[in-house]
Amino acid sequence: AQSVTQLGSHVSVSEGALVLLRCNYSSSVPPYLFWYVQYPNQGLQLLLKYTSAATLVKGINGFEAEFKKSETSFHLTKPSAHMSDAAEYFCAVSESKDTGNQFYFGTGTSLTVIP
Amino acid sequence: DTGVSQDPRHKITKRGQNVTFRCDPISEHNRLYWYRQTLGQGPEFLTYFQNEAQLEKSRLLSDRFSAERPKGSFSTLEIQRTEQGDSAMYLCASSDKDRGRSGYTFGSGTRLTVV
Repeated sequence: AQSVTQLGSHVSVSEGALVLLRCNYSSSVPPYLFWYVQYPNQGLQLLLKYTSAATLVKGINGFEAEFKKSETSFHLTKPSAHMSDAAEYFCAVSESKDTGNQFYFGTGTSLTVIP
Repeated sequence: DTGVSQDPRHKITKRGQNVTFRCDPISEHNRLYWYRQTLGQGPEFLTYFQNEAQLEKSRLLSDRFSAERPKGSFSTLEIQRTEQGDSAMYLCASSDKDRGRSGYTFGSGTRLTVV
């Protein structure tokens, strides 16, 4: 069984400060891990993904995430927050072998950027 | 290609009415997914098509819900006898065979409000 836990449903940071959004996963098989961003009344946009290559993954808009197997974590970071980063962020896990067809999403973290 | 298209963007319906949503995936993607997202939650898997075959359905998909993908192109999701609990954002996503590497591409969703 697979699942994702996102710690902190709401995170507030000052503009220019470090962004850290936490994601822990549970998977019985090697996982694929994803971060998606959702702006109000929009669909989800892929930020970055881990697919068993490099453990430090760089995505769009300056975001990156590090896969840590020992901690079963895939936290999302950005060195300097921008006002346009305010959105809902979802972590998702799926099975690495192609028999699994679902993504399991966390409940999301709402990021507020304070000017 | 303009990505995954969903129509309509918003739908308000009276309880007990039937509604149908349409999804046009990325043309070269043979896999199509429907997810439901309620307020404050992450997307939850509803069903999955590979080409025209519906290969997986969630227990969330009650007998009032039906999905089709004729000819393996666009898909429709119909909800019969809508209930207030059906109010949600319905998201469509598509992927190619190598889903794990590419992740999903989501549409902008159809927001259903049942009054």
